[in-house]
Amino acid sequence: EVQMVESGGGLVQPGGSLRLSCAASGFSFSNYAMSWVRLAPGKGLEWVSAISGPGGNTYYRDSVKGRFTISRDNSEDTLYLQLNNLRAEDTAVYYCAKDLYKYYYDSTIDYWGQGTLVTVSS
Amino acid sequence: DIVMAQSPDFLAVSLGDRATINCKSSQTLLYSATKKNYLSWYQHKPGQPPKLLFYWASIRESGVPDRFSGSGSGTDFTLTISSLQAEDVAVYYCQQYYSTPRTFGQGTKVEIK
Repeated sequence: EVQMVESGGGLVQPGGSLRLSCAASGFSFSNYAMSWVRLAPGKGLEWVSAISGPGGNTYYRDSVKGRFTISRDNSEDTLYLQLNNLRAEDTAVYYCAKDLYKYYYDSTIDYWGQGTLVTVSS
Repeated sequence: DIVMAQSPDFLAVSLGDRATINCKSSQTLLYSATKKNYLSWYQHKPGQPPKLLFYWASIRESGVPDRFSGSGSGTDFTLTISSLQAEDVAVYYCQQYYSTPRTFGQGTKVEIK
Protein backbone atom coordinates (compact mmCIF):
# COMPACT_ATOMS: atom_id res chain seq x y z
CA GLU A 1 0.00 0.00 0.00
CA VAL A 2 1.32 3.41 -1.01
CA GLN A 3 1.75 5.61 2.03
CA MET A 4 3.30 9.00 2.71
CA VAL A 5 3.56 10.44 6.22
CA GLU A 6 4.45 14.11 6.59
CA SER A 7 6.01 15.72 9.66
CA GLY A 8 7.70 18.95 10.66
CA GLY A 9 4.82 21.39 10.52
CA GLY A 10 4.07 23.84 13.30
CA LEU A 11 3.77 27.47 14.35
CA VAL A 12 6.55 29.78 13.20
CA GLN A 13 7.00 33.54 13.18
CA PRO A 14 7.21 35.52 9.95
CA GLY A 15 10.73 35.28 8.59
CA GLY A 16 11.29 31.96 10.31
CA SER A 17 12.13 28.53 8.90
CA LEU A 18 10.79 24.98 8.98
CA ARG A 19 11.80 21.69 7.41
CA LEU A 20 9.04 19.36 6.33
CA SER A 21 9.70 15.65 5.90
CA CYS A 22 7.72 12.97 4.11
CA ALA A 23 8.41 9.31 4.80
CA ALA A 24 7.27 7.17 1.89
CA SER A 25 6.54 3.44 1.76
CA GLY A 26 4.79 0.86 -0.38
CA PHE A 27 6.46 1.79 -3.68
CA SER A 28 9.88 2.09 -5.26
CA PHE A 29 10.55 5.66 -4.12
CA SER A 30 13.41 6.53 -6.46
CA ASN A 31 11.34 5.58 -9.50
CA TYR A 32 8.79 8.34 -9.03
CA ALA A 33 8.79 12.11 -9.11
CA MET A 34 7.42 13.70 -5.94
CA SER A 35 5.60 16.95 -5.24
CA TRP A 36 4.46 19.27 -2.47
CA VAL A 37 1.00 20.82 -2.70
CA ARG A 38 -0.61 23.13 -0.14
CA LEU A 39 -4.12 24.03 0.91
CA ALA A 40 -4.50 27.39 2.61
CA PRO A 41 -7.50 28.08 4.89
CA GLY A 42 -10.56 28.88 2.82
CA LYS A 43 -8.68 28.48 -0.46
CA GLY A 44 -8.05 25.83 -3.09
CA LEU A 45 -5.17 23.49 -3.77
CA GLU A 46 -1.89 25.10 -4.84
CA TRP A 47 1.08 23.22 -6.30
CA VAL A 48 4.32 24.30 -4.61
CA SER A 49 7.25 22.26 -5.89
CA ALA A 50 8.32 18.98 -7.49
CA ILE A 51 11.44 16.87 -7.90
CA SER A 52 12.31 14.12 -10.38
CA GLY A 53 12.80 10.53 -9.23
CA PRO A 54 16.60 10.61 -9.33
CA GLY A 55 16.53 14.07 -7.71
CA GLY A 56 18.47 15.93 -10.37
CA ASN A 57 15.66 18.25 -11.46
CA THR A 58 13.57 20.50 -9.27
CA TYR A 59 10.62 22.77 -10.01
CA TYR A 60 8.97 25.62 -8.04
CA ARG A 61 6.12 28.07 -8.27
CA ASP A 62 7.36 31.65 -8.52
CA SER A 63 6.09 32.76 -5.10
CA VAL A 64 8.38 30.28 -3.29
CA LYS A 65 11.48 30.38 -5.53
CA GLY A 66 14.51 31.38 -3.51
CA ARG A 67 12.72 30.67 -0.22
CA PHE A 68 11.75 26.97 -0.43
CA THR A 69 14.03 24.06 -1.35
CA ILE A 70 12.81 20.59 -2.27
CA SER A 71 15.11 17.60 -1.89
CA ARG A 72 14.97 13.84 -1.47
CA ASP A 73 17.01 11.04 0.05
CA ASN A 74 16.36 7.96 -2.07
CA SER A 75 18.37 5.79 0.34
CA GLU A 76 15.90 6.70 3.10
CA ASP A 77 12.72 6.96 0.95
CA THR A 78 12.19 10.47 2.28
CA LEU A 79 11.15 13.73 0.66
CA TYR A 80 11.92 17.13 2.18
CA LEU A 81 10.82 20.73 1.85
CA GLN A 82 12.94 23.43 3.48
CA LEU A 83 10.86 26.54 4.08
CA ASN A 84 12.82 29.77 4.73
CA ASN A 85 11.76 33.41 5.15
CA LEU A 86 8.19 32.33 5.79
CA ARG A 87 5.29 34.69 5.25
CA ALA A 88 1.74 34.74 6.60
CA GLU A 89 0.48 33.71 3.16
CA ASP A 90 2.47 30.46 3.42
CA THR A 91 0.07 29.28 6.15
CA ALA A 92 -1.46 26.05 4.85
CA VAL A 93 -1.67 22.29 5.12
CA TYR A 94 1.27 20.96 3.12
CA TYR A 95 0.71 17.65 1.33
CA CYS A 96 3.44 15.34 0.15
CA ALA A 97 2.39 13.69 -3.09
CA LYS A 98 3.64 10.93 -5.37
CA ASP A 99 3.65 11.35 -9.14
CA LEU A 100 2.46 8.79 -11.67
CA TYR A 101 5.86 8.61 -13.37
CA LYS A 102 9.59 8.99 -12.77
CA TYR A 103 10.00 12.37 -14.38
CA TYR A 104 8.04 15.55 -13.75
CA TYR A 105 7.07 16.26 -17.33
CA ASP A 106 4.18 14.21 -18.69
CA SER A 107 3.26 13.28 -15.12
CA THR A 108 0.69 14.21 -12.52
CA ILE A 109 -0.02 13.33 -8.88
CA ASP A 110 -1.64 9.99 -8.07
CA TYR A 111 -1.25 9.63 -4.28
CA TRP A 112 -1.27 12.15 -1.46
CA GLY A 113 -0.23 12.08 2.20
CA GLN A 114 -2.46 13.28 5.05
CA GLY A 115 -0.69 16.63 5.23
CA THR A 116 1.07 18.71 7.89
CA LEU A 117 -0.07 22.15 9.03
CA VAL A 118 2.25 25.13 8.80
CA THR A 119 1.09 28.29 10.56
CA VAL A 120 3.04 31.50 10.08
CA SER A 121 2.02 34.07 12.68
CA SER A 122 3.52 36.39 15.27
CA ASP B 1 0.48 30.60 -15.64
CA ILE B 2 -2.43 28.61 -17.03
CA VAL B 3 -5.64 29.64 -15.29
CA MET B 4 -8.15 26.90 -14.58
CA ALA B 5 -11.76 27.96 -14.06
CA GLN B 6 -14.36 25.54 -12.78
CA SER B 7 -18.12 25.92 -12.85
CA PRO B 8 -20.19 25.91 -10.82
CA ASP B 9 -18.52 26.68 -7.48
CA PHE B 10 -21.27 24.80 -5.65
CA LEU B 11 -23.57 22.02 -6.81
CA ALA B 12 -26.49 20.45 -4.90
CA VAL B 13 -27.83 17.28 -6.52
CA SER B 14 -30.43 14.74 -5.41
CA LEU B 15 -29.30 11.20 -4.70
CA GLY B 16 -29.28 9.21 -7.93
CA ASP B 17 -29.24 12.28 -10.16
CA ARG B 18 -26.48 13.41 -12.51
CA ALA B 19 -23.82 15.90 -11.42
CA THR B 20 -21.78 17.77 -14.05
CA ILE B 21 -18.70 19.87 -13.31
CA ASN B 22 -17.01 21.96 -15.98
CA CYS B 23 -13.38 23.01 -16.17
CA LYS B 24 -11.99 25.54 -18.64
CA SER B 25 -8.30 26.30 -19.13
CA SER B 26 -6.87 29.61 -20.34
CA GLN B 27 -4.86 27.80 -23.02
CA THR B 28 -4.97 24.43 -24.68
CA LEU B 29 -3.96 21.39 -22.64
CA LEU B 30 -3.73 19.22 -25.77
CA TYR B 31 -0.09 18.67 -26.63
CA SER B 32 0.26 18.04 -30.35
CA ALA B 33 3.31 15.77 -30.07
CA THR B 34 1.61 13.29 -27.75
CA LYS B 35 -2.05 13.97 -28.71
CA LYS B 36 -2.87 13.87 -25.01
CA ASN B 37 -4.74 16.33 -22.81
CA TYR B 38 -2.69 17.18 -19.70
CA LEU B 39 -5.64 17.35 -17.31
CA SER B 40 -6.42 15.45 -14.12
CA TRP B 41 -9.39 15.41 -11.73
CA TYR B 42 -9.27 14.98 -7.93
CA GLN B 43 -11.87 14.33 -5.26
CA HIS B 44 -11.22 15.86 -1.82
CA LYS B 45 -13.26 14.84 1.19
CA PRO B 46 -12.93 16.65 4.56
CA GLY B 47 -10.19 15.22 6.74
CA GLN B 48 -8.81 13.05 3.94
CA PRO B 49 -6.10 13.59 1.35
CA PRO B 50 -7.25 14.30 -2.20
CA LYS B 51 -7.83 11.27 -4.43
CA LEU B 52 -6.99 11.00 -8.12
CA LEU B 53 -10.03 10.24 -10.28
CA PHE B 54 -8.81 10.79 -13.86
CA TYR B 55 -5.61 11.64 -15.72
CA TRP B 56 -5.05 12.40 -19.39
CA ALA B 57 -8.56 13.90 -19.04
CA SER B 58 -10.43 10.61 -19.36
CA ILE B 59 -8.30 7.73 -18.04
CA ARG B 60 -10.05 6.47 -14.92
CA GLU B 61 -7.74 5.68 -12.01
CA SER B 62 -7.95 2.13 -10.70
CA GLY B 63 -10.74 1.70 -8.15
CA VAL B 64 -12.78 4.72 -9.21
CA PRO B 65 -16.44 3.74 -9.71
CA ASP B 66 -17.66 3.80 -13.30
CA ARG B 67 -20.42 6.27 -12.41
CA PHE B 68 -17.60 8.81 -12.69
CA SER B 69 -16.51 9.86 -16.18
CA GLY B 70 -14.06 12.43 -17.52
CA SER B 71 -14.29 14.01 -20.96
CA GLY B 72 -13.21 16.97 -23.04
CA SER B 73 -10.25 18.20 -25.03
CA GLY B 74 -8.26 21.35 -25.68
CA THR B 75 -9.57 23.94 -23.24
CA ASP B 76 -12.92 22.49 -22.13
CA PHE B 77 -13.33 19.51 -19.84
CA THR B 78 -16.14 17.86 -17.88
CA LEU B 79 -16.39 15.57 -14.87
CA THR B 80 -19.70 13.73 -14.69
CA ILE B 81 -21.15 11.66 -11.87
CA SER B 82 -23.98 9.75 -13.54
CA SER B 83 -25.86 8.81 -10.37
CA LEU B 84 -24.80 10.72 -7.26
CA GLN B 85 -24.22 8.67 -4.13
CA ALA B 86 -23.90 9.93 -0.55
CA GLU B 87 -20.20 9.07 -0.50
CA ASP B 88 -19.57 11.40 -3.45
CA VAL B 89 -20.03 14.52 -1.30
CA ALA B 90 -16.69 16.28 -1.68
CA VAL B 91 -14.85 19.13 -3.34
CA TYR B 92 -13.71 18.29 -6.87
CA TYR B 93 -10.68 19.90 -8.52
CA CYS B 94 -9.34 19.86 -12.05
CA GLN B 95 -5.59 20.37 -12.50
CA GLN B 96 -3.39 20.96 -15.54
CA TYR B 97 0.07 19.49 -15.91
CA TYR B 98 0.76 20.91 -19.37
CA SER B 99 3.13 23.55 -18.00
CA THR B 100 4.84 24.73 -14.82
CA PRO B 101 3.45 25.70 -12.40
CA ARG B 102 0.83 22.99 -12.30
CA THR B 103 -2.41 24.81 -11.53
CA PHE B 104 -5.74 23.77 -10.07
CA GLY B 105 -9.25 25.02 -10.57
CA GLN B 106 -10.82 26.76 -7.59
CA GLY B 107 -12.84 23.66 -6.72
CA THR B 108 -16.50 22.64 -6.96
CA LYS B 109 -18.26 21.62 -3.78
CA VAL B 110 -20.82 18.86 -4.37
CA GLU B 111 -23.55 18.27 -1.79
CA ILE B 112 -26.80 16.32 -1.57
CA LYS B 113 -29.99 18.28 -2.26
